[in-house]
Amino acid sequence: LAKTTQPISMDSYEGQEVNITCSHNNIATNDYITWYQQFPSQGPRFIIQGYKTKVTNEVASLFIPADRKSSTLSLPRVSLSDTAVYYCLVAGPNQAGTALIFGKGTTLSVSS
Amino acid sequence: DVKVTQSSRYLVKRTGEKVFLECVQDMDHENMFWYRQDPGLGLRLIYFSYDVKMKEKGDIPEGYSVSREKKERFSLILESASTNQTSMYLCASSSGSLGNQPQHFGDGTRLSIL
Repeated sequence: LAKTTQPISMDSYEGQEVNITCSHNNIATNDYITWYQQFPSQGPRFIIQGYKTKVTNEVASLFIPADRKSSTLSLPRVSLSDTAVYYCLVAGPNQAGTALIFGKGTTLSVSS
Repeated sequence: DVKVTQSSRYLVKRTGEKVFLECVQDMDHENMFWYRQDPGLGLRLIYFSYDVKMKEKGDIPEGYSVSREKKERFSLILESASTNQTSMYLCASSSGSLGNQPQHFGDGTRLSIL
């Protein structure tokens, strides 16, 4: 099973780019990497998903190296409202069933 | 927009009670999930279901059971509640193949067992 490891916390200032890396050394061939954002008293919300190389949408980019053993969520020009917990999920079918393994989350604090 | 609705935001029960947490989704999703979230431990999967009447254990199924009689509804059951089951419970749903489709979460039920 692909265990994920993320930094517990990160601090940033408004307007900076923030990169959060998730390690997943045992990722399986069919696994996808998905990132979620969670605010207090709410459920996690989907940000971005990828399988390999680079994916970009209107809020973030996801960088996945060729060996896929890690991934980096990049948030351009963060604002105070980006203060939240960010989760990395590696998920997909495996031989024994289906693995859905969230990281423990990275608490991002953005200051002015 | 997908909506996942959990029946209660806050719930207080007593040790030994049988507790039901209900979750309903309105997007005809095949897959539904129950997680618990505890400080420092992140989200841990309890059970999930990929079809009506089908279920599969997650990482921490002990002390829990689930029921999925209809596609839109997934229930989590604490057979005999204990204090160590005090937690935030999150329900989610997704379409298609597990893993390559985003999960849509409800806003959680904060359960306290006294």
